[in-house]
Amino acid sequence: SQQGEEDPQALSIQEGENATMNCSYKTSINNLQWYRQNSGRGLVHLILIRSNEREKHSGRLRVTLDTSKKSSSLLITASRAADTASYFCATDGGRRALTFGSGTRLQVQP
Amino acid sequence: NAGVTQTPKFQVLKTGQSMTLQCAQDMNHNSMYWYRQDPGMGLRLIYYSASEGTTDKGEVPNGYNVSRLNKREFSLRLESAAPSQTSVYFCASTKDWPDTQYFGPGTRLTVL
Repeated sequence: SQQGEEDPQALSIQEGENATMNCSYKTSINNLQWYRQNSGRGLVHLILIRSNEREKHSGRLRVTLDTSKKSSSLLITASRAADTASYFCATDGGRRALTFGSGTRLQVQP
Repeated sequence: NAGVTQTPKFQVLKTGQSMTLQCAQDMNHNSMYWYRQDPGMGLRLIYYSASEGTTDKGEVPNGYNVSRLNKREFSLRLESAAPSQTSVYFCASTKDWPDTQYFGPGTRLTVL
């Protein structure tokens, strides 16, 4: 079963708008990571947030982590058409490997 | 650096055939991973190798075997392919757990 589950499954916005994706997980974690996947390509790492951190920024990306609610959110500000992709959260689910959610498909309309 | 490379990019097999997917990384990473991704879904871990000389099962290991040939190379073998193994296979590596994982471009496998 998937450790992380993203919400929504699909999101369509206009260029310039903000996009927010959420991730919920089930067990305790050491860190949570977000990845992006363009259609037909491999995954690219976006950001890692450790369990003792509450918020982290990287360029137009903002990630929050609430370990009490076992949830995380990824905010992309001022979205661009090039941000169109699937976004996955991943957690360390008890073994030395990541467990991925099923992803949010983001479509940014120009 | 080429990063993580995978061969082949595409493969079509008949049920019962065998094949090996190759993965290599040139980043001197310690850990390597094999995932499969089915349409519209996230990645599921098949096997991983935390360090050279060790391998461990992931979430969906049945029907697969792996070999950590050396620090650079980690291969995935399908002994008797089944249609349920039709998927896109990704290899990944990381320097140390639980750091960023770097992914290869994937192998698209179809089993008829």
